[in-house]
Amino acid sequence: RKEVEQDPGPFNVPEGATVAFNCTYSNSASQSFFWYRQDCRKEPKLLMSVYSSGNEDGRFTAQLNRASQYISLLIRDSKLSDSATYLCVVSLSGGGADGLTFGKGTHLIIQP
Amino acid sequence: DTGVSQDPRHKITKRGQNVTFRCDPISEHNRLYWYRQTLGQGPEFLTYFQNEAQLEKSRLLSDRFSAERPKGSFSTLEIQRTEQGDSAMYLCASSSFGTAYGYTFGSGTRLTVV
Repeated sequence: RKEVEQDPGPFNVPEGATVAFNCTYSNSASQSFFWYRQDCRKEPKLLMSVYSSGNEDGRFTAQLNRASQYISLLIRDSKLSDSATYLCVVSLSGGGADGLTFGKGTHLIIQP
Repeated sequence: DTGVSQDPRHKITKRGQNVTFRCDPISEHNRLYWYRQTLGQGPEFLTYFQNEAQLEKSRLLSDRFSAERPKGSFSTLEIQRTEQGDSAMYLCASSSFGTAYGYTFGSGTRLTVV
């Protein structure tokens, strides 16, 4: 069983639409959760951390469901520039030595 | 300081050769991480340093791989006797607070073994 699972897509979405991704994680001891964005042939960049209470950053909303072990990302009013791969990331520790565990990513294509 | 720097950006090498990559983290970050990413996959953790101490190594890091961070600043990742399966993007990241706030990644070194 993979530790972090995501639908690889691609998701083809018209500009201005709302799109949502989910990911599931297998280790119930996971404590830190993130969404990273990765453009083609570029490094991953932190999009937002994910908190139990849910959090919002502009057009982006992240939710965490610990009981079901899934994380979601909602993008409202999608822009062409949102086209990228979105990586779901978990960590066992809130500040310790373990590395981050990445999903394979969900590929999003915003169409004009 | 403009972020995490990695050198070289691209490396093409023949199978069996040794290669070395360098990472310069953000100067105030005491934690440094190496990851590997192949096409269609997410980054996979290789190893982690806190200051000059290598605290964790993934089982992905075979005996042909060695990483150092001699003075707690820059780090090197060496691959000996490269194999075609080593072809990947090698990413370095740094942080001050471990994983709680995510990492800042460098642009990566893309290795192609021919």
